[in-house]
Amino acid sequence: DIVMTQSPDSLAVSLGERATINCKASQSLLYSSNNKNYLAWYQQNPGQPPQLLIYWASTRESGVPDRFSGSGSETDFTLTISSLQAEDVAVYYCQQYYSTPITFGQGTRLEIK
Amino acid sequence: QVQLVESGGGVVHPGMSLRLSCEASGIPFNSYGMHWVRQAPGKGLEWVAAIWHDESKKYYADFVRGRFTISRDNSRNTLYLQMSSLRGADSAIYYCVGAFGDYFDCWGQGTMVTVSS
Repeated sequence: DIVMTQSPDSLAVSLGERATINCKASQSLLYSSNNKNYLAWYQQNPGQPPQLLIYWASTRESGVPDRFSGSGSETDFTLTISSLQAEDVAVYYCQQYYSTPITFGQGTRLEIK
Repeated sequence: QVQLVESGGGVVHPGMSLRLSCEASGIPFNSYGMHWVRQAPGKGLEWVAAIWHDESKKYYADFVRGRFTISRDNSRNTLYLQMSSLRGADSAIYYCVGAFGDYFDCWGQGTMVTVSS
């Protein structure tokens, strides 16, 4: 099984500042035949289901604000929120869909400082 | 408007069975791979099972293999999860999830399953 490890577990950032969440996979998520990284990011607000933010490691889902960006390749990935807004307070999960069992990181709780 | 609506959750005793359903609308259901993902109270996300768009392949997490069965009825735009031999550790919100491009692009609101004596 591919183990996904996020850091940090929780993060407090001031409004308007940058927030960075890291995700490390126990093996490469880069599929050589199509040169795509099978890595997604989700946002979960309290009492709500998760919502897709980023897929293929760096492609923003339709409707997601451009302050959210994803980067990285193979085993190391980053979700960046360029200028934190109050509505970004949530738990963020990375996920690998390279192979089954599909696995998620443990989540990172983002709060306002 | 995309909607995935789960039903069938509830409170059951250990060892009992339950069947969850998920009715889809607003998506070409027979083109979507479908998944069940669960989340225990206050915990993270845990993938449970997947089924290909044409039901040709099914995949399960080790902790449910042999106890849970995923299926779908494309004529009814409905996904199912038959759960048997339920344990306390199976208590969670169960989300129905659609995946058009391998990633999980649409989620239902979830249905709560509580296994307790």
